[in-house]
Amino acid sequence: DQQVKQNSPSLSVQEGRISILNCDYTNSMFDYFLWYKKYPAEGPTFLISISSIKDKNEDGRFTVFLNKSAKHLSLHIVPSQPGDSAVYFCAASRSNDYKLSFGAGTTVTVRA
Amino acid sequence: DGGITQSPKYLFRKEGQNVTLSCEQNLNHDAMYWYRQDPGQGLRLIYYSQIVNDFQKGDIAEGYSVSREKKESFPLTVTSAQKNPTAFYLCASSITGGPYNEQFFGPGTRLTVL
Repeated sequence: DQQVKQNSPSLSVQEGRISILNCDYTNSMFDYFLWYKKYPAEGPTFLISISSIKDKNEDGRFTVFLNKSAKHLSLHIVPSQPGDSAVYFCAASRSNDYKLSFGAGTTVTVRA
Repeated sequence: DGGITQSPKYLFRKEGQNVTLSCEQNLNHDAMYWYRQDPGQGLRLIYYSQIVNDFQKGDIAEGYSVSREKKESFPLTVTSAQKNPTAFYLCASSITGGPYNEQFFGPGTRLTVL
């Protein structure tokens, strides 16, 4: 039973435009959410996170929005750059739980 | 500089053989994890360890075994009982004691069964 879902397997966006990646979760006990970025044949790298006490967290070109009532979060990348082309994983956990639940990932392609 | 290393990067195994994947970290993290990634799927947890000499099964532990004799090391053995072992394997680590769990990943090992 997949508790974290990324329903868009791929996204293509023009350089300079906004990329919006979506993630839904089913477990209402999740209170910490993370986004990871992964290049082929490499390990994921941490990008940005948000706790459930917030509804927005911003770090440079990356902003994560959390809608707890809808059990939905999104990652906005503005402006999109060619180096942003990668697979993005959404992950969720509960406080004091060492396990992360991952979505299936969204492959972002930034076109020149 | 601190980080997580996994070796080898590529590994080939004959069907029916056991193989051990190495994972070492010098981040002084207490917790370590093993994940498996298959095409079109997210990362699935195989085993995790919160402290030396202790580990727990994840969601897909069948056919795998681990040990945690040292804080820095968390090797994963893929046994012949694993029916579909060809995959990309990722090791991760994190601190413990805080409420939130940000895991740091190694570069991965791609295992191919011939």
